[in-house]
Amino acid sequence: GNSVTQMEGPVTLSEEAFLTINCTYTATGYPSLFWYVQYPGEGLQLLLKATKADDKGSNKGFEATYRKETTSFHLEKGSVQVSDSAVYFCALNNAGNNRKLIWGLGTSLAVNP
Amino acid sequence: EAGVAQSPRYKIIEKRQSVAFWCNPISGHATLYWYQQILGQGPKLLIQFQNNGVVDDSQLPKDRFSAERLKGVDSTLKIQPAKLEDSAVYLCASSPRRSGGADTQYFGPGTRLTVL
Repeated sequence: GNSVTQMEGPVTLSEEAFLTINCTYTATGYPSLFWYVQYPGEGLQLLLKATKADDKGSNKGFEATYRKETTSFHLEKGSVQVSDSAVYFCALNNAGNNRKLIWGLGTSLAVNP
Repeated sequence: EAGVAQSPRYKIIEKRQSVAFWCNPISGHATLYWYQQILGQGPKLLIQFQNNGVVDDSQLPKDRFSAERLKGVDSTLKIQPAKLEDSAVYLCASSPRRSGGADTQYFGPGTRLTVL
């Protein structure tokens, strides 16, 4: 079946540190992969996505590359800011699965000034 | 383009009372989803509509939860009667495609329900 595994949090970093949040997946076929972000007290926002192997999604300084050979979609940012403090969710969406999003458990990030 | 709208943003009720949530998806989006997100957890899909038909309601507690999307546009989710464990954020999302292909879901701000 389809599943997503994210690294456990919480992750605590200092401002301007490098961020990596690991995400691996199991899926049949060729899923699309997503990172969503949830700021405190808010709903989920799409951060970036990739729809095929070797695609790189990017937004707001965050990047993730769809690696089919390692079934991974790790989220990275070169220099985090306090405003990046949020919960980050990795998810996959398989066309043959009624477009149901399969979610990771989320990784909480706290960035200290 | 306007995003997914939800109301109310917050609701506090006592157990055994009823509550309803409303969602208006992005214009033209065929698919609508309701999720339940308990504090500290990821979203759990409750029900998925394609236009006004139900595609997946396998995780909807049908003894107390109901949802409808009568005209294939906006939707309501109802809980009757509410239990303490229903305290959560209820998220509505929509996506554009009618059939085939994996696509992006766009989320509303959510309704935070507290059951006392």
